[in-house]
Amino acid sequence: DAGVIQSPRHEVTEMGQEVTLRCKPISGHNSLFWYRQTMMRGLELLIYFNNNVPIDDSGMPEDRFSAKMPNASFSTLKIQPSEPRDSAVYFCASSLAGTDYEQYFGPGTRLTVT
Amino acid sequence: SQQGEEDPQALSIQEGENATMNCSYKTSINNLQWYRQNSGRGLVHLILIRSNEREKHSGRLRVTLDTSKKSSSLLITASRAADTASYFCATEGNTGKLIFGQGTTLQVKP
Repeated sequence: DAGVIQSPRHEVTEMGQEVTLRCKPISGHNSLFWYRQTMMRGLELLIYFNNNVPIDDSGMPEDRFSAKMPNASFSTLKIQPSEPRDSAVYFCASSLAGTDYEQYFGPGTRLTVT
Repeated sequence: SQQGEEDPQALSIQEGENATMNCSYKTSINNLQWYRQNSGRGLVHLILIRSNEREKHSGRLRVTLDTSKKSSSLLITASRAADTASYFCATEGNTGKLIFGQGTTLQVKP
């Protein structure tokens, strides 16, 4: 299995631009998680999906952030408009079923907003 | 606020020595998980221990859980330079979310 796939691996954009991060979970996993990691705040859960349905988006910082999971093999995290404080590493993870199972993390997308 | 807090924040040992990292949490949990993160990489799952378990082993790793003290420890025996990484505990409680601590940075010197 290829593991969790994220793209792009690095993204540099200017403030105000739209950014779209992509994730392909492990086949057969029913849960997908988006995290953000910064030095100041550590690893934060932004949103997670069960069977393509958003279960908890309380970690999404503000309305500029949105996430979708149109099918079991694809999810996007969009930031519009982006701001310098959004600079971070964004991880996608998947698990068999929710948080009662280990999560498999992708390599992350390092986002820099200038 | 973060659920798990690791201690120490940083640990430096010689190859061959044992490394112990601790994690404390505040509220009741369903399970506690340990992850490793190498620099610039994603997290890798190490061990999951459920609230009704007290100890688990995986290779050179040993995890204990004391729910009365709301704490867990990760022991890495006979450490190797390749064990150099950050180690995170994560707790799953009634929120249905996995909450990560700030991590312990382990350096193993060859």
